[in-house]
Amino acid sequence: GQNIDQPTEMTATEGAIVQINCTYQTSGFNGLFWYQQHAGEAPTFLSYNVLDGLEEKGRFSSFLSRSKGYSYLLLKELQMKDSASYLCAVRVGSNYQLIWGAGTKLIIKP
Amino acid sequence: DVKVTQSSRYLVKRTGEKVFLECVQDMDHENMFWYRQDPGLGLRLIYFSYDVKMKEKGDIPEGYSVSREKKERFSLILESASTNQTSMYLCASSLSGGSYEQYFGPGTRLTVT
Repeated sequence: GQNIDQPTEMTATEGAIVQINCTYQTSGFNGLFWYQQHAGEAPTFLSYNVLDGLEEKGRFSSFLSRSKGYSYLLLKELQMKDSASYLCAVRVGSNYQLIWGAGTKLIIKP
Repeated sequence: DVKVTQSSRYLVKRTGEKVFLECVQDMDHENMFWYRQDPGLGLRLIYFSYDVKMKEKGDIPEGYSVSREKKERFSLILESASTNQTSMYLCASSLSGGSYEQYFGPGTRLTVT
């Protein structure tokens, strides 16, 4: 079967760093996505990893280990506007579908 | 600027009604998707289409149908709405090739009473 696990909810403090983990067990792998979704809004693309290692994009970084079936999203210098759900998704095989995790709700406190 | 639009942000329908949800993208994307999103369950794929007039069932197609007569438009149809179809419906599109990143519309929150 296909399975993606993320923590349901995390809390962090403004200005701090937070790491959101995602583990996956899928039949095949062809890339991993992170999306951000504010309450009541559409998901928006954050990052895409297809090779092992760290991809940095401003305050956000994403890491992938294919051998461990593991990824994380690292958010630095947290701001109140980072309060959102963060969705992990895996592209399996060469088709267009993504398998989605249930998302991690991140709460930022002052 | 890429854009995916959906016909309604909020919709209230009665049980048994036929419901049409429309999605339009202006990016000339080949692939289009319909998802529903419920708390704690993540995004679940209902149907997708990789070309005009082509469609494939996703994980939860029961009670739904789709239509793609033009490349830019993908419609989701609830033949006879039921209360368990109350949900947020999200449309997305992607190019064939590259990362296959999906771009989402703003969503339609459908309530069936």
